[in-house]
Order: sequence, then C-alpha cells, then structure tokens
Amino acid sequence: NAGVMQNPRHLVRRRGQEARLRCSPMKGHSHVYWYRQLPEEGLKFMVYLQKENIIDESGMPKERFSAEFPKEGPSILRIQQVVRGDSAAYFCASSPLPGQEAEQYFGPGTRLTVT
Amino acid sequence: AQSVTQLDSHVSVSEGTPVLLRCNYSSSYSPSLFWYVQHPNKGLQLLLKYTSAATLVKGINGFEAEFKKSETSFHLTKPSAHMSDAAEYFCVVTPLKGGSYIPTFGRGTSLIVHP
Repeated sequence: NAGVMQNPRHLVRRRGQEARLRCSPMKGHSHVYWYRQLPEEGLKFMVYLQKENIIDESGMPKERFSAEFPKEGPSILRIQQVVRGDSAAYFCASSPLPGQEAEQYFGPGTRLTVT
Repeated sequence: AQSVTQLDSHVSVSEGTPVLLRCNYSSSYSPSLFWYVQHPNKGLQLLLKYTSAATLVKGINGFEAEFKKSETSFHLTKPSAHMSDAAEYFCVVTPLKGGSYIPTFGRGTSLIVHP
C-alpha cells in the first residue's frame, strides 16, 4: 500500500504566478488535511476535506488560497498570485476515519519557493 | 480552546543516554495526544498516541510517553538515545472542536544526538 504521495516535491514560482500542489491520499483514505510549515515552526492547519466536500477551512487565508478533493483524482491546494510570504513546506495528511483518535499519515511535503 | 507547549526548542544528548522531550497541553475537552517525528526533508511519522486507555503509552523505536492529567503533560522519553533518533519531534493534541477533530501542533523540539 503506497503511502501518501505529494507532487511536486519542490516548486519554484515567481511572484504573481499560480502554484498547484497535489496530494494523493493512501488507498482507502477519504479524509485529507493540508498543513503549512514555516522554518523553525510547527505545522499550521489549513483545511480539512472529504471527497467533494470542504469540512473545515478555518486555517486557510481568506484570499488567493483554495483547496479541493474531487471524486476522482488527487486533492489540490491552489495558491493564486503567489507572494514571497507563501514560501514554505506544505504537507498533506490522510486518514481512513474522522475522529479524535484518528492517526494521520503524512506525505513528504512540497517545498514552495517564491522568487 | 486548545494549545500545546513544547518546553524546549532544542534538546542535546549523548548517544546511549536517556531522552526527555517535554510537552504540556491545555484542552477544554478530554484530548487525544500524539507524538510525531520528522526527519530532515521528510514527512511526519507517528511515534505513539494516547486515547484514554492506558496512561503509559509505548511507541515505535523504543519511545514511550506518559499521560498525566493532573500535570496536563505528555512527555516523551527513551532510555537510550541512538544517533538515528536525531530529528524534529512534534507533540499534537486533538480535542473535539465544533464537530471536526482538528489537530494542534506544538512548535517542535529538535533532538540532537552526539556520538
């Protein structure tokens, strides 16, 4: 069973361009979480999705950021008109179940650099 | 509201000596607590979790943690450090939050192991 896959692993964008980050959850997992990690900091929750639904987006910036998890295909985190402050590592995690006790399985991350 | 405090940003030990990584939490509800490890340029991997069963939890690679409700602590320990334990460690609390179980991560503790 392949783990959580993220691509690309590294992404370089110029200011003003769009960044698309993809996450394929583990087989059988229908719950996906996106996190952002800045240097020397822990992970900050961004959004929690189930298939075709956004369950909690309380950590998403109000503008330029969006996420989806379609019925078929990977989850996508989209950042429009990137700025230097968007440079960070973005991690996706998946879980087979919701719930307080549910373990999350993490992908290797996408490191976004905005020049 | 919930929060997690990892009391040390860096811990330095010699190989073969005990490891103690400290974590305190606050939560309005009975929490689930997790420790994850992150090796450089990798995703996070679950070490262990507490889910209201036994208060002493054993995890992978010889790590264990004890849930102490009276002290609101969940410190991570290992009797004898190995060079391969050098990594970043995150304490995580997952309480009930408006129906979705969104984890809160500590800022992380960097474990340095000297030969």
